[in-house]
Amino acid sequence: AQKVTQAQTEISVVEKEDVTLDCVYETRDTTYYLFWYKQPPSGELVFLIRRNSFDEQNEISGRYSWNFQKSTSSFNFTITASQVVDSAVYFCALSEGDMNRDDKIIFGKGTRLHILP
Amino acid sequence: DAGVTQSPTHLIKTRGQQVTLRCSPKSGHDTVSWYQQALGQGPQFIFQYYEEEERQRGNFPDRFSGHQFPNYSSELNVNALLLGDSALYLCASSLVGGGVYGYTFGSGTRLTVV
Repeated sequence: AQKVTQAQTEISVVEKEDVTLDCVYETRDTTYYLFWYKQPPSGELVFLIRRNSFDEQNEISGRYSWNFQKSTSSFNFTITASQVVDSAVYFCALSEGDMNRDDKIIFGKGTRLHILP
Repeated sequence: DAGVTQSPTHLIKTRGQQVTLRCSPKSGHDTVSWYQQALGQGPQFIFQYYEEEERQRGNFPDRFSGHQFPNYSSELNVNALLLGDSALYLCASSLVGGGVYGYTFGSGTRLTVV
């Protein structure tokens, strides 16, 4: 069965500090997709990144970086030099994403991030 | 290019009533999925519609039903509302096999059952 675990319920850091959000997933499939979404108070889920199971290359996008390790089934998200605008709930998610099969998204419970000025 | 549009944004209903939520997918998308997000939780998959048929369903009772129209827009209906149905309902559109092509979410409808 698919499962996503975000062990950190809530994190608070002071602005400009680096912060890492942890994500551990479970799946029996060899083909799957991992996502991170940001949910500000407005409620909309904002897409941050999608990685497929065959691409373990780490990715950096501005102050954001992602570390995908299949050996530990983890897909961690780091914000460098955090800013107050980064305050939100962050969700890690998993999908099998096969056109002929189940492609629903399984979300973790989210990590609420507070960036203190 | 408009993203996913959901209506209404907020709704208050009485226990036992019925409610209909609406979703217009992003232009070019043909698949609509619905998610329920209870307070402090991650979104949970309700069901997905493709070609006007329910393609997948999560672990939700039959009180939750849906429909997809020929223009790909969709409705979520909930009958016999319970207090526990209070949540943010999110619609996501994609091409079929969304994990490959990506999902776009709307801002949601916040349903309060009193």
